[in-house]
Amino acid sequence: DAGVIQSPRHEVTEMGQEVTLRCKPISGHNSLFWYRQTMMRGLELLIYFNNNVPIDDSGMPEDRFSAKMPNASFSTLKIQPSEPRDSAVYFCASSFNLGGAQYFGPGTRLLVL
Amino acid sequence: GQQLNQSPQSMFIQEGEDVSMNCTSSSIFNTWLWYKQDPGEGPVLLIALYKAGELTSNGRLTAQFGITRKDSFLNISASIPSDVGIYFCAGQKKVEDMRFGAGTRLTVKP
Repeated sequence: DAGVIQSPRHEVTEMGQEVTLRCKPISGHNSLFWYRQTMMRGLELLIYFNNNVPIDDSGMPEDRFSAKMPNASFSTLKIQPSEPRDSAVYFCASSFNLGGAQYFGPGTRLLVL
Repeated sequence: GQQLNQSPQSMFIQEGEDVSMNCTSSSIFNTWLWYKQDPGEGPVLLIALYKAGELTSNGRLTAQFGITRKDSFLNISASIPSDVGIYFCAGQKKVEDMRFGAGTRLTVKP
C-alpha cells in the first residue's frame, strides 16, 4: 500500500524565494498534519487538517507560512518569502481519524541559502 | 517542542543484546506511540498504545503504556544490525498536543 507521499524530497533555494511543499496522504485518512524537524527543536507540529479543514495552525511560525488542503488527497505547505532559518526537514503525516496513530511521509529536506 | 524526557539519548550495543528505552512526563497522556526514524526518512510507526497498562508486542518489539499514564517503555529483544536508527516516543493528550521525545540513537555492533 502506498504510504504518505511528499514532494520534492529535497529543495535548495535562495533566501526570498517562494517554496511549495506537497503532500498526498494515505487514501482513506481524513486527518493531515505538517511537521518541521530540526536538530535544535526536534519535531514540531505546524498545522493540521481534519476533513480538509484547517483545525489548528498555532504552530505555524510566521505569516510567511501557509498551508492548504483543497481536497482529501492533496495538501501544500508554502513559505513565502523563505529565509535561511526555515531550513529543516518538513514532514507530512496522516491518520485515519483525529487522535489516531499518525503515519509520516519521507519528508522534504529544505535548505534556504 | 520536546516536552517528554526520553532516555537514554544513545545506546551502543552488541548484536543479540536486548535494548530498553523509556519516556516519562509530568503530564498524563491518552496515547503513547513509538516511532523509528532512519537517516533521510520519516518516522515509521512501530507501536501505538491506547490504554493505561497496555502491553503490546510487534515482533521483537514490546512496548507498555504506564499505569500512571505518564510513562512508556520500549524493549527490543535480540537486536540485529537493521535495528540501528533513532527511536522516538510520542505522547498525545489531544490532537494538537502531541509531544515527541528527543529520541534514542541506537547503534548495533555486529
